[in-house]
Amino acid sequence: AQKITQTQPGMFVQEKEAVTLDCTYDTSDQSYGLFWYKQPSSGEMIFLIYQGSYDEQNATEGRYSLNFQKARKSANLVISASQLGDSAMYFCAMREGRDSSYKLIFGSGTRLLVRP
Amino acid sequence: NAGVTQTPKFRVLKTGQSMTLLCAQDMNHEYMYWYRQDPGMGLRLIHYSVGEGTTAKGEVPDGYNVSRLKKQNFLLGLESAAPSQTSVYFCASKDPGQGIIDEQFFGPGTRLTVL
Repeated sequence: AQKITQTQPGMFVQEKEAVTLDCTYDTSDQSYGLFWYKQPSSGEMIFLIYQGSYDEQNATEGRYSLNFQKARKSANLVISASQLGDSAMYFCAMREGRDSSYKLIFGSGTRLLVRP
Repeated sequence: NAGVTQTPKFRVLKTGQSMTLLCAQDMNHEYMYWYRQDPGMGLRLIHYSVGEGTTAKGEVPDGYNVSRLKKQNFLLGLESAAPSQTSVYFCASKDPGQGIIDEQFFGPGTRLTVL
C-alpha cells in the first residue's frame, strides 16, 4: 500500500536561512506524482510544488524546490531564504499514476516555525 | 471565480444529530473529494466523485454518505454524528485534463465539533 512518511513533527529555522522538510514515500507504481501543500494558521491548503516520477529535473517554484531522489523514494522540500510568513504546517502528498481517480495520500505534516 | 467554497465554516452538533456539509466549485471540475483532518494525522480521504452522479469510498468512509447530483456540488452527510467525527473537513476538486501539474484545489474547510 502506498504511504507517505514525514518524520519531523516540528522544525525551527532562522529567518533568511534555508530549511529542508523531509518526505519519504512508498509505492510499487512506476508512475506517480508528489505534491507539497502549505497550511498556514488560517487553515487553508495552499499548493506549493509538484514533482512527477518521470521528471528528470528537480521541480522549482520560486523559493521552493523539491529534492527528488527516486532511488531513495524521497521528495524533500527545500525552502530557501526563509521568511516569517513561511511559518505553517507543510504536507507532502502522493498520487499513484495508475489510479485514474487522482486520489491523494497525505503525510502527517511538519510544523515549521521561522524565528526572527 | 470563487474557486471551491464550503458551507458552513463552523458547526457544533450534539451526538446523534445529522447534518450536511456543502461543497461547491465554479471551475467546472469533474473530480471532487472530501477529506478530514485530525490533529497529527494529516488529511484522510472520506469519499470522492469522478463525475456527476458518481461516488466512491475513500480511506475512512464509515459514518458518512455523499451525493453528487450536480457537477458543481458535492454533499457530505453525517446521519448520526459521533464525537469521533469532530474534525476539520476539507473539500477539493480537480479536472483530470488540467495539465501536467494536476494539483487538487481545496476549499477553506469546515470545523465540526460533536459534543
